[in-house]
Amino acid sequence: DTEVTQTPKHLVMGMTNKKSLKCEQHMGHRAMYWYKQKAKKPPELMFVYSYEKLSINESVPSRFSPECPNSSLLNLHLHALQPEDSALYLCASSQGQRTGEQYFGPGTRLTVT
Amino acid sequence: AQSVTQLGSHVSVSEGALVLLRCNYSSSVPPYLFWYVQYPNQGLQLLLKYTSAATLVKGINGFEAEFKKSETSFHLTKPSAHMSDAAEYFCAVSGGGTSGTYKYIFGTGTRLKVLA
Repeated sequence: DTEVTQTPKHLVMGMTNKKSLKCEQHMGHRAMYWYKQKAKKPPELMFVYSYEKLSINESVPSRFSPECPNSSLLNLHLHALQPEDSALYLCASSQGQRTGEQYFGPGTRLTVT
Repeated sequence: AQSVTQLGSHVSVSEGALVLLRCNYSSSVPPYLFWYVQYPNQGLQLLLKYTSAATLVKGINGFEAEFKKSETSFHLTKPSAHMSDAAEYFCAVSGGGTSGTYKYIFGTGTRLKVLA
C-alpha cells in the first residue's frame, strides 16, 4: 500500500480562523513533508520531519505551524492566513529523508477569504 | 547546487504518437532522478525513478526514461500516447551519496496535451 491520505479535501477559511490540515501514512515511512503548490507551478517545500523531529523549515511564516504527533501522522496548523496563502497543500512521505522516493497525498485545496 | 530544467512548458502530441518530455539536470554528485505526473486537482504520482542502477528505467503506464550522464539528461518517453496521458509532468532531482541535499528540486513542469 503506497497511500498517503489527507483531510480535508477542500477548506475555505477566513483570515481570522484557525484550522488544521491532516496527513496520514501507514507505509512505515520515517520522513514526512509539507508542500505548497500554486496553480501552474511545481510544489514548494515547506517543512520536513525526519523520525518525528522537524528537520527542515524553509523559512515558512509562523502562521503555518507543523506538528508530527507520531510516525504516521502529520498536521499543519493554520492561523491568521492571508489570501495569498490560498493553494493546494500536499503532504508526502518517504522511507527516510535520505532514501527513497516520495509518495504524495491528494492534497487539500485551501481558499483563504 | 542542483537544478532541473524541463524544456517546453507545453507539449502537444497526437493520440498514438511518441511522447518525449525533456529533463536536464545539474548536480555535482550522482543524483536521484524522478518523474511524477499530476492530474488536475490531484497529488503527484510517481511514474519512475533513477537511483544509479540501470540507466534505462521503466515506469508505470508504459513510460520509460533513460539516464544519460554525458548529456545530463533524463528524458521521459512513451511510444504511443493515450488520451489519458494528458496531465502535468514534473521532473525532480535529489542528492545522492554521502553529501548534498536530499530535498527534491522540481522542474517547472510540462503540460502534455493529447490530440484526438
